[in-house]
Amino acid sequence: EAGVAQSPRYKIIEKRQSVAFWCNPISGHATLYWYQQILGQGPKLLIQFQNNGVVDDSQLPKDRFSAERLKGVDSTLKIQPAKLEDSAVYLCASSPYMSANTGELFFGEGSRLTVL
Amino acid sequence: AQRVTQPEKLLSVFKGAPVELKCNYSYSGSPELFWYVQYSRQRLQLLLRHISRESIKGFTADLNKGETSFHLKKPFAQEEDSAMYYCALHPGSGNTPLVFGKGTRLSVIA
Repeated sequence: EAGVAQSPRYKIIEKRQSVAFWCNPISGHATLYWYQQILGQGPKLLIQFQNNGVVDDSQLPKDRFSAERLKGVDSTLKIQPAKLEDSAVYLCASSPYMSANTGELFFGEGSRLTVL
Repeated sequence: AQRVTQPEKLLSVFKGAPVELKCNYSYSGSPELFWYVQYSRQRLQLLLRHISRESIKGFTADLNKGETSFHLKKPFAQEEDSAMYYCALHPGSGNTPLVFGKGTRLSVIA
């Protein structure tokens, strides 16, 4: 079974530039999560999708971050304009379940963003 | 609000020694607790969940509601256990996400 795919793996940009990350979840997984992991910290949820609908985006900085999952499969996360504090690893995870109470989240390898 | 605390950033033990990675949580209800692991150059993956009461790779974790803890234990550490370990909490119901601790890096010294 193919895992969660993310690209690009690494991205370096200057502040105020824009960047987009792509995620392809495991086939058939209805729930998709984007997490932000800053160095030295645990993953923090940015947004959760159920199929193509947003379940939770309460921690997404909506003035600069946006995400979509138009056809209920792939998802993109965009940052525009980027700030220095956005330097982090952006993790995509998917799950076959609506709720995370089973703990069965399958993570991608992450996209490491460096903002200079 | 839910919170997960892992007090140790780094834990170093010798091979064959016992390991205990600490996790404390704050939540007033009955949460589900998990341990995730990330080996070098690998993805973050689920190690074990408290509800399964299972032993995975020799690791066990018991949920202590009185102390609000979910410490991860292994009687004899192996070099291949070296990794980042994250404790995570879910309220137990609903579509709320997992809340992760900051993680503990376990280094097993040969």
